[in-house]
Amino acid sequence: AQTVTQSQPEMSVQEAETVTLSCTYDTSESNYYLFWYKQPPSRQMILVIRQEAYKQQNATENRFSVNFQKAAKSFSLKISDSQLGDTAMYFCAFTTFQGAQKLVFGQGTRLTINP
Amino acid sequence: NAGVMQNPRHLVRRRGQEARLRCSPMKGHSHVYWYRQLPEEGLKFMVYLQKENIIDESGMPKERFSAEFPKEGPSILRIQQVVRGDSAAYFCASSPPIRTDTQYFGPGTRLTVL
Repeated sequence: AQTVTQSQPEMSVQEAETVTLSCTYDTSESNYYLFWYKQPPSRQMILVIRQEAYKQQNATENRFSVNFQKAAKSFSLKISDSQLGDTAMYFCAFTTFQGAQKLVFGQGTRLTINP
Repeated sequence: NAGVMQNPRHLVRRRGQEARLRCSPMKGHSHVYWYRQLPEEGLKFMVYLQKENIIDESGMPKERFSAEFPKEGPSILRIQQVVRGDSAAYFCASSPPIRTDTQYFGPGTRLTVL
């Protein structure tokens, strides 16, 4: 079975600090995609960043970057210069190239940015 | 280009009633996914549909739940004879026909069963 694990239920940092959210996954597939989604209090699911497993280079989107370690099945999210608007639940998710391409989500990390 | 639309945003039902949740995918998208989010949990896959076809319903409860995506109109997730355990947020996501690796989510429908 494919699983995604986020071991940090909650995290809290000061504004402008850098924070790293952890995610590990388990799969026997060699080709897949990994995602980080943000869910603010509005509950809308917002795609933050996407990584293709066959690409060695880590994805970046402005202040958001990932550390993708394929052998370790690890996919952490780094948020630089954190802002109050980054306060949200963050979900790591995974999908394969095969079949329905349904997303498998982790349990989430509640991130609070303090002023 | 409008995003994924879901309605209603909030739905209250009494035990035993029926709940109908609607999802209009983004323009040009022909793949629809439904997910359920229980309080303080991540999203769980329920069903994947293409126009007029159910492709994967492995996450759907065997009883009381059904989904459709007709040729015309929105996708519908139907829950018959709701129970309190059905209270959750239900999210719809869509993806385009060629590139299905990224899903775009709607705002969700929060179902409360009294």
